[in-house]
Amino acid sequence: GESVGLHLPTLSVQEGDNSIINCAYSNSASDYFIWYKQESGKGPQFIIDIRSNMDKRQGQRVTVLLNKTVKHLSLQIAATQPGDSAVYFCAENRATGANNLFFGTGTRLTVIP
Amino acid sequence: EADIYQTPRYLVIGTGKKITLECSQTMGHDKMYWYQQDPGMELHLIHYSYGVNSTEKGDLSSESTVSRIRTEHFPLTLESARPSHTSQYLCASSEPGQTYEQFFGPGTRLTVL
Repeated sequence: GESVGLHLPTLSVQEGDNSIINCAYSNSASDYFIWYKQESGKGPQFIIDIRSNMDKRQGQRVTVLLNKTVKHLSLQIAATQPGDSAVYFCAENRATGANNLFFGTGTRLTVIP
Repeated sequence: EADIYQTPRYLVIGTGKKITLECSQTMGHDKMYWYQQDPGMELHLIHYSYGVNSTEKGDLSSESTVSRIRTEHFPLTLESARPSHTSQYLCASSEPGQTYEQFFGPGTRLTVL
């Protein structure tokens, strides 16, 4: 299954399928991007990050793709499991003086057993 | 796992009361943050600090105030709580110079009646 972030804030996938969560960022000068997972009642947890000098980065069952031309970021989750059900946020560092993160609208992923 | 703590986890309080939300981290991070988050929505930065005696306002205007007397402690205070302050408050910390990753606490869910 696939989401387009702001336009489709929920995504439902079958257990075992791959998930793709999309994020559009706003600032072409942003130099760092990060994906967080937030489960109900908890704070966000780090999943994976990528710097702007990279196009792809892989972790355990997760891959982040960065397309700077269209300012688009995606998170791919392989073999989605029920424990992956959560809200996923992308965030960017806009390379301003404060170097704070700006968070996008989250996408709620629901895994159907 | 990050060592950042928030108390209380849940708080229900009447209008006009003064409250302080506690946040402590044991990682020795210089930079700390407070975010406000409505359920399922994006995180909005309301305060941050570069270190002891530093406090800065974030992107979202807030009637709350913060202090940073010790590196590990970053409390948030509302002098007179109102129903519009009902939200989840998340504290985070980071160590500038490494990555921009922020480590989050579990959050305090505040309800003002």
